[in-house]
Amino acid sequence: KAGVTQTPRYLIKTRGQQVTLSCSPISGHRSVSWYQQTPGQGLQFLFEYFSETQRNKGNFPGRFSGRQFSNSRSEMNVSTLELGDSALYLCASSYRDTYNSPLHFGNGTRLTVT
Amino acid sequence: QKEVEQNSGPLSVPEGAIASLNCTYSDRGSQSFFWYRQYSGKSPELIMFIYSNGDKEDGRFTAQLNKASQYVSLLIRDSQPSDSATYLCAVMSGNEKLTFGTGTRLTIIP
Repeated sequence: KAGVTQTPRYLIKTRGQQVTLSCSPISGHRSVSWYQQTPGQGLQFLFEYFSETQRNKGNFPGRFSGRQFSNSRSEMNVSTLELGDSALYLCASSYRDTYNSPLHFGNGTRLTVT
Repeated sequence: QKEVEQNSGPLSVPEGAIASLNCTYSDRGSQSFFWYRQYSGKSPELIMFIYSNGDKEDGRFTAQLNKASQYVSLLIRDSQPSDSATYLCAVMSGNEKLTFGTGTRLTIIP
């Protein structure tokens, strides 16, 4: 079974621009979560989508948004990029059929804002 | 108080010894608990999960959960150099949000 696929792997953007990241979950997984990882803050929860609906949201500004399509693929958008948005963005999928459904992570998108 | 707390380390353990990694959490309504391992430059991978008080063993790994003390730990027996990584504790809170600790960096010394 193919794993979680994230594209692109690397992105370099300048301040003020916007960016869209893509995530294809493991086949059969209906939940997709997004995390931001930085050396100082660790893994910070952005949001979770389940069956095209945002199920949970972290404490990030409205510049960070996402959506999920009917095939469970998800996109994350960051508008008006700031230097502090430079991070590894990780997508994770799960069945989410029980409260102990584990997350399976993709390889991440490394975003650098200059 | 952080929702999930771990000692950042680094924790150095001789090869063959037991490595003990600890995690505390603040939400008493938390339902399930996960340990992930992350090698440098890689994404986190699940080691094991636990949701009942007590111990759960899987090979060289043992997860221990004490909900009364809001404490979860991971023991790695017969530590190997390949166990050198950052270990992330993750907690599924009562509102079904999975929160990660900042991780403990473990180094196994040959």
